[in-house]
Amino acid sequence: EAGVAQSPRYKIIEKRQSVAFWCNPISGHATLYWYQQILGQGPKLLIQFQNNGVVDDSQLPKDRFSAERLKGVDSTLKIQPAKLEDSAVYLCASSLARRASYNSPLHFGNGTRLTVT
Amino acid sequence: GDSVTQMEGPVTLSEEAFLTINCTYTATGYPSLFWYVQYPGEGLQLLLKATKADDKGSNKGFEATYRKETTSFHLEKGSVQVSDSAVYFCALSVSSGGSNYKLTFGKGTLLTVNP
Repeated sequence: EAGVAQSPRYKIIEKRQSVAFWCNPISGHATLYWYQQILGQGPKLLIQFQNNGVVDDSQLPKDRFSAERLKGVDSTLKIQPAKLEDSAVYLCASSLARRASYNSPLHFGNGTRLTVT
Repeated sequence: GDSVTQMEGPVTLSEEAFLTINCTYTATGYPSLFWYVQYPGEGLQLLLKATKADDKGSNKGFEATYRKETTSFHLEKGSVQVSDSAVYFCALSVSSGGSNYKLTFGKGTLLTVNP
């Protein structure tokens, strides 16, 4: 089974520029997550999709971050404009369960490391 | 709110030493508890889990017991190997509304095992 694919692996941009990340979840996985992992901290959930609908985006800074999951498969996360504090690893994860159940394991991609200068 | 507190790292051990990484949690409701591991250059992987009090999760020689009375889920391994060098994350899962559950992570503990 192919894992969760993310691209690019690394990205360096200047503040106020825009950037986009792409995620292809495991085939058949209905639930998709974007996490932000700042250096020295644990991953923080940004947004959760169920198929192509948003289930939870309570911690997404909506003034600059946006995400979509067209056709319920691939997803993109965009930051516009970027700030220095957005420097982090952005992790995509997917889960087979149609809902995020207490017991359903998340499968993570290798992440995109963003550096904002 | 819900939170997970892990022991500060980094932890450096010699091969075959005993490992304990402490984890305590605060949660509304009855959480499930997890340990995830992140090897260098790789994504997070589920290591083990426990879904109710007194459950013991185990995998690859690692164990953790869900202690409701002390709100803890400490990770242990009797004899670590160099290949266990990684970052370990404790996490909990609680309902975020209806039957949907949210995963909350601790800050992670870096383990380095020397030969």
